[in-house]
Amino acid sequence: DAKTTQPPSMDCAEGRAANLPCNHSTISGNEYVYWYRQIHSQGPQYIIHGLKNNETNEMASLIITEDRKSSTLILPHATLRDTAVYYCIVRVVGTGGFKTIFGAGTRLFVKA
Amino acid sequence: DTEVTQTPKHLVMGMTNKKSLKCEQHMGHRAMYWYKQKAKKPPELMFVYSYEKLSINESVPSRFSPECPNSSLLNLHLHALQPEDSALYLCASSQGVQITEAFFGQGTRLTVV
Repeated sequence: DAKTTQPPSMDCAEGRAANLPCNHSTISGNEYVYWYRQIHSQGPQYIIHGLKNNETNEMASLIITEDRKSSTLILPHATLRDTAVYYCIVRVVGTGGFKTIFGAGTRLFVKA
Repeated sequence: DTEVTQTPKHLVMGMTNKKSLKCEQHMGHRAMYWYKQKAKKPPELMFVYSYEKLSINESVPSRFSPECPNSSLLNLHLHALQPEDSALYLCASSQGVQITEAFFGQGTRLTVV
């Protein structure tokens, strides 16, 4: 099972920041938090990952709480093309090694 | 080249047919994955290959048979599928199984009739 929980859907106005929360209260000390998104009918796309410190790249920023039990993905200026399902992932260790298990994700609607 | 290429893009097959899905990457990645995705659901992990060896099988029925002929190629052989196996099949690759920054293909949309 996925080790993360996310709200099922969120709305955001075009041009505004989209803040997508994720809870991962059982994360272990050396596990990264990864974010992917999936635009309709396409394969998932990697966005960003982090361990403890906040991270920023050309797509988004990732804010991880000090206790690492939750994080927030920030799209600073959302556009209509950012409408997608956003997945927050913490790897699961199983027989045979690490597994990337997708939870239900958050469906983000960016509205004009 | 940061692409994972999957062929075919669409496939319709009968329940008695045998078909194969193909996946190719030229990024030098040593881990490759198959996922299955039903409509409005998240991708479900099926198989993980690490250095061309099967490392994880998520209790997938034997009518799905993966194969990794070399480090760039991953196949999924299909035989005697059921209509409920209709889904989007996604291939992904990463530098290693320890790294979860994976690159996904656009998928093969499979319909079993």
